[in-house]
Amino acid sequence: QVQLQESGPGLVKPAQTLSVTCTVSGGSISSGTSYWSWIRQPAGKGLEWIGHIYTGGSTNFDPSLKNRVTMSVDTSKNQFSLTLTSVTAADTAVYYCARDQMGRDCTGNNCYTNWYFDLWGRGTLVTVSS
Amino acid sequence: SYEVTQPPSVSVSPGQTATITCSGDNLGRKYVSWYQQKSGQSPVLVIYQDGKRPSGIPERFSGFNAGHAATLTISGTQAMDEAVYYCLAWDSNTYIFGPGTEVTVL
Repeated sequence: QVQLQESGPGLVKPAQTLSVTCTVSGGSISSGTSYWSWIRQPAGKGLEWIGHIYTGGSTNFDPSLKNRVTMSVDTSKNQFSLTLTSVTAADTAVYYCARDQMGRDCTGNNCYTNWYFDLWGRGTLVTVSS
Repeated sequence: SYEVTQPPSVSVSPGQTATITCSGDNLGRKYVSWYQQKSGQSPVLVIYQDGKRPSGIPERFSGFNAGHAATLTISGTQAMDEAVYYCLAWDSNTYIFGPGTEVTVL
């Protein structure tokens, strides 16, 4: 079955750039909805959606982070990546990659779509410290 | 920006019913999913599209969404259900997580 595995630097200095990559195994990154998300979780705190990327390259980010975030995808390697610039200690977190899944709720002739995450990686801890 | 709230904690005795609420303005007009996160593990989807269970999720997990609140109900709660539960809503092309509810099975 499809699995996700994050990889990252472990430690990043303040003001520098954080980069993490998610490798999709057991299936093609271009199958299904082809949307893939990054989510982070500071120690002892809740989950925060960072943004997602479509394998065609389009992206959508949370407004609070969009000025510092870029995402990219390499379909030949079955990977997608997150880059976060100008990091501070507040960016210290476990970074998860996840697969966006779409549901369709149909009643009669009306159908409504909804989105959720049906598959998560194990996460990679990134610490911002000098 | 849209926000959802959850109670910080819920306690339940083994075999009893745990109910976790996720509240937000007209949340019933959006679709909600729920995630279970056990200590040291990644989140796991337990409910999607308000009340649907993914394969492999026990029938004791159920969900409902109407008005200004969504609920996750765990019937016949077991010790293995002890975890933090997060609700998730989709609004204006962004995902919004609730702050999480820690379920303790006493």
